Amino acid sequence: EVQLVQSGGGLVQPGGSLRLSCAASGFSVSNTFMTWVRQAPGKGLESVSVLYTGGGGITYYADSVKGRFSSSRDNSKNTLYLHMTSLRPEDTAVYYCARVTRQYYFDFWGQGLVVSVSS
Amino acid sequence: QSALTQPPSVSGSPGQSVTISCTGSTSDIGNYYRVSWYQQSPGTAPKIIMYEVSSRPSGVPGRFSGSKSGNTASLTISGLQAEDEADYYCSSYTDSSTYVFGTGTKVTVL
Repeated sequence: EVQLVQSGGGLVQPGGSLRLSCAASGFSVSNTFMTWVRQAPGKGLESVSVLYTGGGGITYYADSVKGRFSSSRDNSKNTLYLHMTSLRPEDTAVYYCARVTRQYYFDFWGQGLVVSVSS
Repeated sequence: QSALTQPPSVSGSPGQSVTISCTGSTSDIGNYYRVSWYQQSPGTAPKIIMYEVSSRPSGVPGRFSGSKSGNTASLTISGLQAEDEADYYCSSYTDSSTYVFGTGTKVTVL
């Protein structure tokens, strides 16, 4: 059974850092496209990062987080990470990890983590 | 990348049909058949209900259908049911190898 279990959210001050984890089971993250999506309170969905496999594993980031967020995977732990630095109040959101299929859609999602950036 | 444009809300009585539009550009919807739709109930993760414009994942009822014309994709719910009340988001692959979501539409069953 495919599952994505997230951990690591919480309250952080502006300018601070946080690392989100997304532990996968039922498939291997090493050969699967993955993504991070966030949803600010009362707002819509925003794709934050897309991690591709092959060709060195290219990762794309939304302009709103470029230079501040980075995504990585630990294949030995079958886990995806989102490293967030220089956090701003506007980064406050529920963050989801999701699996990307070869048909270009997100089929399995984590449960979501609340990240709150506030002093 | 600007969000795709959806109507904020649509409503219908049980049994009626509603259609949600999703307008993008030639850099996303207009250039690919990689349009998907997600249903989200309060406090839960989005759920895939349509992919590649008009393909339904296993388990999604046949009353959901999708289409695309030019830069606009559409999701139609025929025979609206109370359980269809939720937020709906479109998404498209883009020329930048990223994904863009729509602004979201709240479907209300009267």
